[in-house]
Amino acid sequence: DQQVKQNSPSLSVQEGRISILNCDYTNSMFDYFLWYKKYPAEGPTFLISISSIKDKNEDGRFTVFLNKSAKHLSLHIVPSQPGDSAVYFCAAPFYQKVTFGTGTKLQVIP
Amino acid sequence: DVKVTQSSRYLVKRTGEKVFLECVQDMDHENMFWYRQDPGLGLRLIYFSYDVKMKEKGDIPEGYSVSREKKERFSLILESASTNQTSMYLCASSLRGGRGEKLFFGSGTQLSVL
Repeated sequence: DQQVKQNSPSLSVQEGRISILNCDYTNSMFDYFLWYKKYPAEGPTFLISISSIKDKNEDGRFTVFLNKSAKHLSLHIVPSQPGDSAVYFCAAPFYQKVTFGTGTKLQVIP
Repeated sequence: DVKVTQSSRYLVKRTGEKVFLECVQDMDHENMFWYRQDPGLGLRLIYFSYDVKMKEKGDIPEGYSVSREKKERFSLILESASTNQTSMYLCASSLRGGRGEKLFFGSGTQLSVL
């Protein structure tokens, strides 16, 4: 049972444009979400998070939106840069257990 | 900075061998995790530990066991390696705290079972 889903395995975006990565979840008990970025041959690194008491959190070029009624969150990257090319995972902690999505591979084309 | 160190970057083993993957963190984190990453399947949790000698099964514990004798060290054991355990294995640690505690990952071990 995949509780955290990323339905787009890959995404290509032109440099300077907006990248939108989506994530859906099924467990209504999740109340905190994190996004991680992973380069090849490296471990994932934390990018941005959002609590369910908010519907938006912004950090520089990165903004995460949360729609609790739809059980959906999205990560916006504006403007996209070639260095953003990586695999992005959304994650949801529940007590001590952290569940990750399947990931979306973003390619930013110069 | 938090450092999570995995003992090997690449490992090649034979079917049936017992395999140990070691992970050490240097920030006194209570929680430690083992994930595997496979194409199209994302990161799947194998086991986690929230204290010394404590362990909890994740989503795919079959064929694996873990050991946490010291707070800084979390070992993943493949009792009898099989080809379907060929994967990238990632160790992570975090503080025990609120829901928003970030996981810090090691660089991963690419295990090939032949």
